[in-house]
Amino acid sequence: DAEITQSPRHKITETGRQVTLACHQTWNHNNMFWYRQDLGHGLRLIHYSYGVQDTNKGEVSDGYSVSRSNTEDLPLTLESAASSQTSVYFCASSESINGVGKAFFGQGTRLTVV
Amino acid sequence: EDKVVQSPLSLVVHEGDTVTLNCSYEVTNFRSLLWYKQEKKAPTFLFMLTSSGIEKKSGRLSSILDKKELFSILNITATQTGDSAVYLCAVPNNAGNMLTFGGGTRLMVKP
Repeated sequence: DAEITQSPRHKITETGRQVTLACHQTWNHNNMFWYRQDLGHGLRLIHYSYGVQDTNKGEVSDGYSVSRSNTEDLPLTLESAASSQTSVYFCASSESINGVGKAFFGQGTRLTVV
Repeated sequence: EDKVVQSPLSLVVHEGDTVTLNCSYEVTNFRSLLWYKQEKKAPTFLFMLTSSGIEKKSGRLSSILDKKELFSILNITATQTGDSAVYLCAVPNNAGNMLTFGGGTRLMVKP
């Protein structure tokens, strides 16, 4: 069955370190998204991509970057981790236009920056 | 800028109660409104609503949309402890390929 997987599921890192969270989907979806979820803020969009070599900034993109070298993967990099980036991160993918209702989410990565 | 507001923020009920969750929205070009249920892990899709007044139903859950007043409600009847979750409402952007989420309603159903 097609799926979307994130790794690691949990990570603790130190302030200032570079961290990369992986997201891999086998739906062959063009659209991929990274969200962070914090109490009181719901899901906020960090970066998104509509296809290979395409990346776009979302609502809370400062301190994060993504790259899209193939359809399946959209890794999220924290260049220099900060305590404010402690959060749960969700990756999602969806089909193209009008398919967004069927967005599929990964299981999440809980990141703690100490 | 698209905006989605959910209420209440949280809700505690007892098994067997009926609950109504609210979602109001402002979008540039309305395409649809979506409801997700999030337990401990990833959000899972519940409903997609596109037309006013047509109820979508799945077991004890139902949802309806009012495009004139720009809101939707999610009803859960005869609640069970397994309904405890965060319920998220979302709307796609103008291009239809990105979602804006509300802050969610945290529902706790006590035995």
